[in-house]
Amino acid sequence: DIQMTQSPSFLSASVGDRVTINCKASQNINKYLNWYQQKLGEAPKRLIYNTNNLQTGIPSRFSGSGSGTDYTLTISSLQPEDFATYFCLQHNSFPLTFGSGTKLEIK
Amino acid sequence: QVTLKESGPGMLQPSKTLSLTCSFSGFSLSTSGMVVSWIRQPSGKSLEWLAAIDWDGDKYYNPSLKSRLTVSKNTSNTQVFLKITSVDIADTATYYCARSWYFDFWGPGTMVTVSS
Repeated sequence: DIQMTQSPSFLSASVGDRVTINCKASQNINKYLNWYQQKLGEAPKRLIYNTNNLQTGIPSRFSGSGSGTDYTLTISSLQPEDFATYFCLQHNSFPLTFGSGTKLEIK
Repeated sequence: QVTLKESGPGMLQPSKTLSLTCSFSGFSLSTSGMVVSWIRQPSGKSLEWLAAIDWDGDKYYNPSLKSRLTVSKNTSNTQVFLKITSVDIADTATYYCARSWYFDFWGPGTMVTVSS
């Protein structure tokens, strides 16, 4: 199985801050990496697919980058509605595996 | 408009078989390349992909649980089912179904508690 190591687990930031969340795969996943946002009591919502493709309707302050084993989600200017938990998912090979999550909290 | 919705028993006893249904609309599982997956999430924890079934009826399972899982779909391609045998407390989680290998649309989830 491909292990997805996500960091940090917790992140405290203020409105307007730029933040980055990282996922490192245990092997090359060929950019087959998605990012999801999950708010308490809700299903995950896809933000980014295949490393850097923005889901329709998602604000452009969200962006993704990376290649090989290292991937990053960047939020350029945090808004109040962005405080949530974020997960990465690799869909390069079975079984599909998720990162452990990053909880983004208001400072 | 794509929607998915999971349904399940809510609570069941250890050693029983868990049966879940994913009902969806706005797309057809008979469309070439279409897939519906099951994913679960214990409270406060991360997500685990369980199984998937594609438009052609091919089935995919997480090897860690494969011996206990059965995924299927109805003949009208509007529902997908998941059975998990011999449940125990560790199977307590919210269970989601999602569309495609990209998990672009998700259902709201159904919470399942395994308890005696």
